[in-house]
Amino acid sequence: DVKVTQSSRYLVKRTGEKVFLECVQDMDHENMFWYRQDPGLGLRLIYFSYDVKMKEKGDIPEGYSVSREKKERFSLILESASTNQTSMYLCASSPVIRDRGHYGYTFGSGTRLTVV
Amino acid sequence: AQSVTQLDSQVPVFEEAPVELRCNYSSSVSVYLFWYVQYPNQGLQLLLKYLSGSTLVKGINGFEAEFNKSQTSFHLRKPSVHISDTAEYFCAVTLRGGGTSYGKLTFGQGTILTVHP
Repeated sequence: DVKVTQSSRYLVKRTGEKVFLECVQDMDHENMFWYRQDPGLGLRLIYFSYDVKMKEKGDIPEGYSVSREKKERFSLILESASTNQTSMYLCASSPVIRDRGHYGYTFGSGTRLTVV
Repeated sequence: AQSVTQLDSQVPVFEEAPVELRCNYSSSVSVYLFWYVQYPNQGLQLLLKYLSGSTLVKGINGFEAEFNKSQTSFHLRKPSVHISDTAEYFCAVTLRGGGTSYGKLTFGQGTILTVHP
């Protein structure tokens, strides 16, 4: 069974800490994504990566950075955590779109981050 | 840029009743459309997708959705719901053909379906 694994289900961090959220996929997917999910706002794209060492900003990149040194791993970094970054963070992956169309994302289980 | 609006934030229904969760999208070009389900404390799971062809798409767990290009809608339906269908449902859209969009999905705000006994 294919998987996207997020290293932590729950995290509590202090304001100002540097926080790393890790995501690993075992499907050899080219594309990986980080979203945050907040009630009433749905999922909002933070960053995505379409290849190793390649990244692009999503809709809400401020306060975040990412790293993709290997194809299977995509890390989200909160440079200096703030209380407004308390949220559910979801990682997803997908293969490159080909002639047969989009396959959809495979999601991890999410990391619920609380910044105090 | 594309956008998605889910018209109901919460939908309460009784068990065995039919349900429709509404989704409208806006895009100046052709799109792919998706419905995902999220059970409590879990990630999102793909229910169904529309890529091309028949406008009526069948998915898992007895759900189906109909693509209506003229109304830019992709409503999700189930003729008879079960308690286990209680979850949050997300509609999503992406541009056809990939390119610089890299298949990024834009999600709606979510609809919480609550099935009562």
